[in-house]
Amino acid sequence: GENVEQHPSTLSVQEGDSAVIKCTYSDSASNYFPWYKQELGKGPQLIIDIRSNVGEKKDQRIAVTLNKTAKHFSLHITETQPEDSAVYFCAASIWEGGADGLTFGKGTHLIIQP
Amino acid sequence: GAVVSQHPSWVICKSGTSVKIECRSLDFQATTMFWYRQFPKQSLMLMATSNEGSKATYEQGVEKDKFLINHASLTLSTLTVTSAHPEDSSFYICILDRGDGYTFGSGTRLTVV
Repeated sequence: GENVEQHPSTLSVQEGDSAVIKCTYSDSASNYFPWYKQELGKGPQLIIDIRSNVGEKKDQRIAVTLNKTAKHFSLHITETQPEDSAVYFCAASIWEGGADGLTFGKGTHLIIQP
Repeated sequence: GAVVSQHPSWVICKSGTSVKIECRSLDFQATTMFWYRQFPKQSLMLMATSNEGSKATYEQGVEKDKFLINHASLTLSTLTVTSAHPEDSSFYICILDRGDGYTFGSGTRLTVV
């Protein structure tokens, strides 16, 4: 089955700086890569996703890049703010006319230092 | 659109009792629903895949007789934790296939005392 590796497990950055979280996946058939933000005591919330037919997607301060050849994808957060502090999970899935479930990375605890 | 109602949001039960968690899609039909479990400070792990009208498919290491899943309709799936023990305390979340992406339930925090 699919295996998703995520790093770093903890990332501390100064407010205003950029943060990058990286994930690799094992199954070359995976074609859907969402990122989730989970705040303390809450469920994960989708923040951005990318499908394998594009290499990059951006939504304001958040961007995701995908390298299918290397089987890795990354989350980029620019101009970080205190409210960006949370645990972020990457995930991978095969999407072919029906979902096969999400395989999650182990999560990255992002800490924004004021 | 794509709203999923999961309840209860939290529950405390005594060891040995059973707890039912319900996941309902309010505005779309979900052929496939997934049940995940998240232990504190850990990632979400797939427990089982639930398809409407058929038996659920359980991941390795998940006891099907302990975690009963019923997917009776395209809008409702239930997870029943039977004979709960403290080690079953966790955050349970349903994730639904809506056809063009996934929709998450809000999760259920189960504490077994």
